[in-house]
Parts: sequence; C-alpha cells; structure tokens
Amino acid sequence: AQTVTQSQPEMSVQEAETVTLSCTYDTSESDYYLFWYKQPPSRQMILVIRQEAYKQQNATENRFSVNFQKAAKSFSLKISDSQLGDAAMYFCAYRSPINTGTASKLTFGTGTRLQVTL
Amino acid sequence: KAGVTQTPRYLIKTRGQQVTLSCSPISGHRSVSWYQQTPGQGLQFLFEYFSETQRNKGNFPGRFSGRQFSNSRSEMNVSTLELGDSALYLCASSLAILAGGSTDTQYFGPGTRLTVL
Repeated sequence: AQTVTQSQPEMSVQEAETVTLSCTYDTSESDYYLFWYKQPPSRQMILVIRQEAYKQQNATENRFSVNFQKAAKSFSLKISDSQLGDAAMYFCAYRSPINTGTASKLTFGTGTRLQVTL
Repeated sequence: KAGVTQTPRYLIKTRGQQVTLSCSPISGHRSVSWYQQTPGQGLQFLFEYFSETQRNKGNFPGRFSGRQFSNSRSEMNVSTLELGDSALYLCASSLAILAGGSTDTQYFGPGTRLTVL
C-alpha cells in the first residue's frame, strides 16, 4: 500500500517570503500522480498543484511550484511571495494510475499547517 | 461551472441514529468519492461510485454505505451512529476518464460536519 508522509506539522512564513513544505511517499508503482491540496479554515479542500510521475518537468502554478524527485520519492511544495490568504492546512496526496484497482483513491499525508505573518 | 455541493453542511445526531449525506458533483463528472476527516485519523477514503456502481471501497465497517443515482448525484448513509463517527465528510467528483493520459483530478465539496452526541 502507498503511504504519504508530511514531517512538518506546522510551518510559519512572513508575508512576501518563500516557504517550502515537504512530502515524501512510498510506492512500488512507476506511474502515479501527486497532488497538493490546500484546506483553509472554511474546510473546503482546494487543489493547488498536481504532478504526473512520468513528467520530469516540475509543475508550476503561478506562485506555487513543486520539486519532484522521483528517485528519492520526494514531492515538496514551494510557495513564493507568500500572502496572508495562503494560510491554511496543506495536504500532499498520492493517486495510483487510472485503470488500476485503486485508481480512484487519494492517499493523503497528515498535513502541514502554514501560518503567514506580517 | 458550479462546484461540488454537499448537503447539509452541518448535522447533529445522537448515538444509534442513522444519517444520510448528499453530494452533487460538478456537471459532467461521473465519479464521486467520499472521504472522512477526523483529527485523529486524518483523511481516509470511504468509497467511490461510478455509473451507479461502487468501484472502490476503503476500510470502513458495513454501517457506512452509499449509492449513486443516474444523474451522478451520490448519497452516503451511516447507520447506528457511534461517537467516533463525528467527522467532516468530504465528497469529491472527477471526470473518471478511463482512457490514458488524464490525471482525473478530484475536486472537493465544502463538506458536511457531522456531530454525534
């Protein structure tokens, strides 16, 4: 079974600064998908960024980018120019390839609570 | 396009009762997945429905069940409620494209907060 580990329960960053959230995972599959979701106090889970394992290029979405190290099974999220609205719980998630028996299931890490200070 | 909607947003029940939660997916999405979120266990997969059939199931007791209707709307039922069932229940929908090449990303609703007294 796949596992996802987020070793930082809490992180803090000053507004306009850069912060990196860590995520490692364990899998025997060669093809899979990785996601970062954000959960603000409203509890709505919002997709931040996704990465296909077969793509070597790191995904980017505006101020959000990932550092995907497939051999190391590492998938960190970098938030640049942090804003107050970035304060939330961030979850790393793993998904098996489509057409496998567990394809529909997301496996989540325990989350990292990000605080953004002035 | 409207997002995933869940009703009700909040529920208070007592032990032994049963509850039904509803989820309407994004228009055109055919797959609906359910997750339970608790402080102790985190986010756990309950089950997934596609074309009115349960396609995948997590490790939860039989008290947890669900169904999907022909319009892709889904309901989740919990019978004989226990205190430990208090949680945020999240529904997510996806296109469920089975051909290769799609990440089939899941988009979440706002959740239903269930409190069991």
